[in-house]
Amino acid sequence: NAGVTQTPKFQVLKTGQSMTLQCAQDMNHNSMYWYRQDPGMGLRLIYYSASEGTTDKGEVPNGYNVSRLNKREFSLRLESAAPSQTSVYFCASGGRTNAYEQYFGPGTRLTVT
Amino acid sequence: GQQVMQIPQYQHVQEGEDFTTYCNSSTTLSNIQWYKQRPGGHPVFLIQLVKSGEVKKQKRLTFQFGEAKKNSSLHITATQTTDVGTYFCAGNPALTFGSGTRLQVQP
Repeated sequence: NAGVTQTPKFQVLKTGQSMTLQCAQDMNHNSMYWYRQDPGMGLRLIYYSASEGTTDKGEVPNGYNVSRLNKREFSLRLESAAPSQTSVYFCASGGRTNAYEQYFGPGTRLTVT
Repeated sequence: GQQVMQIPQYQHVQEGEDFTTYCNSSTTLSNIQWYKQRPGGHPVFLIQLVKSGEVKKQKRLTFQFGEAKKNSSLHITATQTTDVGTYFCAGNPALTFGSGTRLQVQP
């Protein structure tokens, strides 16, 4: 039982490049989330998926797209990376009986130069 | 939109001293969660509060939800070095996290 896994752990991109961050959970949770965390700040919600087949924008969705591939997997895509997207990205899934009880993955540290 | 302010930003205590962090929301919350993040780690869920005036305890940690459901606090009694980390609150329904309180404990 791995919980929430994220790949890659680290990534360096040049401005304008694209990439997809992968997230998977094995806890049979309906809800999944993508956050970014900038130094000294809290987490800001980028997108979330309340259930398979649905996605909704969070607080900071601009420059990102998401795909809820199936119940286990929720990916985050940067189409044209910008230095302002340098951050640590966390994926989370919500509990079966309480979607707000979130379990976080280990994070992806992304640098855009 | 919903904003959640958390204070203090940072606190340094001697081991054995108490610690409190506060969250204040600009709007009434449906519920609030608390998370702990160790340095270099990911947030870990601690607890959820739902009812007005609710108080919950986990060993040395006491969590409170205000009567108006616009504020919350986390109090740690007799801190230990294992309490080191950043404590975040998250207010709902907008899934808004506070900026966190970083706790340092001097042995």
